[in-house]
Amino acid sequence: QVQLVESGGGVVQPGRSLRLSCAASGFIFTNYGMHWVRRPPGKGLEWVAYISYGEIDGGSTGYYADSAKGRFTISRDNSKSTLVLEMDNLRPEDTAIYYCAKDQWPQWSPGFDSWGQGALVIVSS
Amino acid sequence: NFMLTQPHSVSGSPGKTVTISCTRTSGSIGSNSVQWYQQRPGSAPITVIFEDNQRPSGVPDRFSGSIDRSSNSASLSISGLKTEDEADYYCQSYDSSTRVFGTGTQVTVL
Repeated sequence: QVQLVESGGGVVQPGRSLRLSCAASGFIFTNYGMHWVRRPPGKGLEWVAYISYGEIDGGSTGYYADSAKGRFTISRDNSKSTLVLEMDNLRPEDTAIYYCAKDQWPQWSPGFDSWGQGALVIVSS
Repeated sequence: NFMLTQPHSVSGSPGKTVTISCTRTSGSIGSNSVQWYQQRPGSAPITVIFEDNQRPSGVPDRFSGSIDRSSNSASLSISGLKTEDEADYYCQSYDSSTRVFGTGTQVTVL
């Protein structure tokens, strides 16, 4: 069965960086687009970033919410079935539970069918 | 980009039916499919409806989804309400390679 396990969360000061990872298993990782979604405390779900499936030439493209553009970088290591979110210049409003989520269908999908349990990121001085 | 607006909360008694709306602020609701997710406290979201009205295996047929082009909105109905349905519900759609979540609705079982 599909498993997504996030790691790397923690408490970080404003302006600092943090790296989240998501270890995937139970499916052919390279065939699926992957996402990061967050839920700030007391607020709703917010889509953060998407990376396309691993194409034959090894290239994947990242797409970002406006709140993440220029500060966050999504990447994937298909050889290790791992999704990564590098977060720079963190702000208090980035405090949230961060979930990795899998596209429902291979190559592209309008929605998600599997989620990790989440990694808590707290940005505070 | 468009937004998806949901009521902040809805409630109903056990056995009754509740309906959650999801209104698209610009563009046509029928242009891009809508998914619905349930998130219980302390848990990750799960899909209850995908591609407007499709139910994943394992989701009870008490959950149903629909699209109303006249009001430019999608709806999630939960019939035969149970205490286990108490959760936050989110609609979600997409615009090219970005994804958009609705504002979320808290469902309370009275």
